[in-house]
Amino acid sequence: GQQVQQSPASLVLQEGENAELQCNFSTSLNSMQWFYQRPGGSLVSLFYNPSGTKHSGRLTSTTVIKERRSSLHISSSQTTDSGTYLCALEQGYQNFYFGKGTSLTVIP
Amino acid sequence: EAAVTQSPRNKVAVTGGKVTLSCNQTNNHNNMYWYRQDTGHGLRLIHYSYGAGSTEKGDIPDGYKASRPSQENFSLILELATPSQTSVYFCASGDSGYAEQFFGPGTRLTVL
Repeated sequence: GQQVQQSPASLVLQEGENAELQCNFSTSLNSMQWFYQRPGGSLVSLFYNPSGTKHSGRLTSTTVIKERRSSLHISSSQTTDSGTYLCALEQGYQNFYFGKGTSLTVIP
Repeated sequence: EAAVTQSPRNKVAVTGGKVTLSCNQTNNHNNMYWYRQDTGHGLRLIHYSYGAGSTEKGDIPDGYKASRPSQENFSLILELATPSQTSVYFCASGDSGYAEQFFGPGTRLTVL
């Protein structure tokens, strides 16, 4: 079955609004990584966050293992934040499972 | 300077032909991975490697072989390409153990 569920599938924001992206997993995890991908582009690592909360500029990642979820918060969104956000779960050693992503569009 | 590079960036192949996708990393990472990305399926792991000389099967290895001749290089080989292998292929590297992955720019493969 589906190991990693991302929600929402798509999101449209007005510039300046905040966004909360979710990643839920059905199994235990050893690591969690969040990526950003532009259309036709590669994956850029945003956070490697197996547990707890991490911050980077306007981005915050929180992973709660016992609740089997991880979230990515984007504050004060900008048009350049538009793209797809992917989460990846490492369940066992070298067993990586990716969500299908959240497509974010930020309009001016 | 890009730490994970892939070549070619775009490739058109014919059904039944042999295709080799190459990946090079300057991160000095032990682990390397090959994924494919398709609409509706997301990213799926094809093969991975723990170091030079090792290759392991991922979730969808059928129709693919891999080769890791050195720490820096990891190749994905399609001996008999089929149209179902049309996709975008990504290579990634990472340290041993549970560690962050770093991705290359991707190769767009079209099999006619």
